[in-house]
Amino acid sequence: GAGVSQSPSNKVTEKGKDVELRCDPISGHTALYWYRQRLGQGLEFLIYFQGNSAPDKSGLPSDRFSAERTGESVSTLTIQRTQQEDSAVYLCASSPSMMGETQYFGPGTRLLVL
Amino acid sequence: QKEVEQNSGPLSVPEGAIASLNCTYSDRGSQSFFWYRQYSGKSPELIMFIYSNGDKEDGRFTAQLNKASQYVSLLIRDSQPSDSATYLCGTDSWGKLQFGAGTQVVVTP
Repeated sequence: GAGVSQSPSNKVTEKGKDVELRCDPISGHTALYWYRQRLGQGLEFLIYFQGNSAPDKSGLPSDRFSAERTGESVSTLTIQRTQQEDSAVYLCASSPSMMGETQYFGPGTRLLVL
Repeated sequence: QKEVEQNSGPLSVPEGAIASLNCTYSDRGSQSFFWYRQYSGKSPELIMFIYSNGDKEDGRFTAQLNKASQYVSLLIRDSQPSDSATYLCGTDSWGKLQFGAGTQVVVTP
């Protein structure tokens, strides 16, 4: 079936505005992850959802960042009062279950905060 | 100290030679280990995963894991220009995947 999809593919916003990023995981994948990748940097873990369990939010950099997921479907990552340092590619990945399973990445959302 | 450490490179490799990439990790709870390839401007794609000590081979790629020494490596045999990319090492500890910053590989014709 289809892979992980993300929208929008690109987003330009003004400092202080809120943005919402969307991720559609592969159907049947119970685990969903959000990562941030700044230009020339590695992947920074943000948040992890596994089924109906409480999400692991340990990677969220500040309380301006939040994420939701309904069941085992779509997830949204919200950044409130965006700052220029939030500019990055936000990658979503899903995997069939929790431990040791391959993660499949979406194409990412490129966020630019002016 | 970062959870996963990689040499940032660039690692310059002549076409046809072996590229050797290394990765060390600090979390002894890590159970699975992954190598992803990321072309510039693209998303990471899985190359190899390994969870048992020793070697795992897949085509031109060989992953090596040594849990006692907490390192995992990737060998690329017969390197091709299309192998030029950044290679990310990832470790999975109870579902939380941590990545290194990546090693840039440049294969020169």
